[in-house]
Amino acid sequence: GENVEQHPSTLSVQEGDSAVIKCTYSDSASNYFPWYKQELGKRPQLIIDIRSNVGEKKDQRIAVTLNKTAKHFSLHITETQPEDSAVYFCAARSGGSYIPTFGRGTSLIVHP
Amino acid sequence: DGGITQSPKYLFRKEGQNVTLSCEQNLNHDAMYWYRQDPGQGLRLIYYSQIVNDFQKGDIAEGYSVSREKKESFPLTVTSAQKNPTAFYLCASSIGTGAEAFFGQGTRLTVV
Repeated sequence: GENVEQHPSTLSVQEGDSAVIKCTYSDSASNYFPWYKQELGKRPQLIIDIRSNVGEKKDQRIAVTLNKTAKHFSLHITETQPEDSAVYFCAARSGGSYIPTFGRGTSLIVHP
Repeated sequence: DGGITQSPKYLFRKEGQNVTLSCEQNLNHDAMYWYRQDPGQGLRLIYYSQIVNDFQKGDIAEGYSVSREKKESFPLTVTSAQKNPTAFYLCASSIGTGAEAFFGQGTRLTVV
C-alpha cells in the first residue's frame, strides 16, 4: 500500500517568513494529493489539493508543488501569520485505492 | 457546523466496557471513514465503508467494530479488546473515490 512521509514534524517561524512542508509518497500510481489544516481542538479541513496532471497550484498565500518523478510534493505558505499556526497533514491517494493515506503531520508555529 | 456530526465530544469509559461513538452526515456521501489520532502519529485508518451494508478494515481495526445500516450513519464501537483506546477519534465522509474528505469535529475518548 501507499506510504507517506512528512517533514518536518515541527516548524517554527517568525511572522512574515515563509514555511515549507515536504511529503514523499511511495506509490507511483497515486494521483490525488490533498493538504489539511487542523487547528487546536478542531477538525482537519482541506486547504488545497493537487492532482497528478498538474505540477503546481496556488491559492493566495499557499501553494502546493508536485514532482511525480521524485514522488514528492510540498506545501508553501508565504507571509505567515499567527493564525497559520496549526497542524498540517499531507495525504496521497493511491490509484489502486480510494482511501487517502496521511502523513504524520507538521506542527507549524508562527511567532508574532 | 453542518454536514458531518460526531457525538459525544468527550467520552469517558471504564476499563472493560464497550462504548459507541456516533457519526452522522447529511451530505449524501457514499463513503465514510473512521480515523484515530494520537500525538505524533497522524491519522490512522480504523474502518471505512463505500456503500450501505458494506465496510472494510483499515490499518488498525483490532478492538473496533462498525456498522453501516444507513447511508447517513457509521457508528464506531470501541470494544474492551482494544488495549489502548484513549485517543481522539475522527469520522469523515467523501462523495466518492479520490474526492475531498470532510471531517467531523471529533470525539475524545478517555479510559478511566
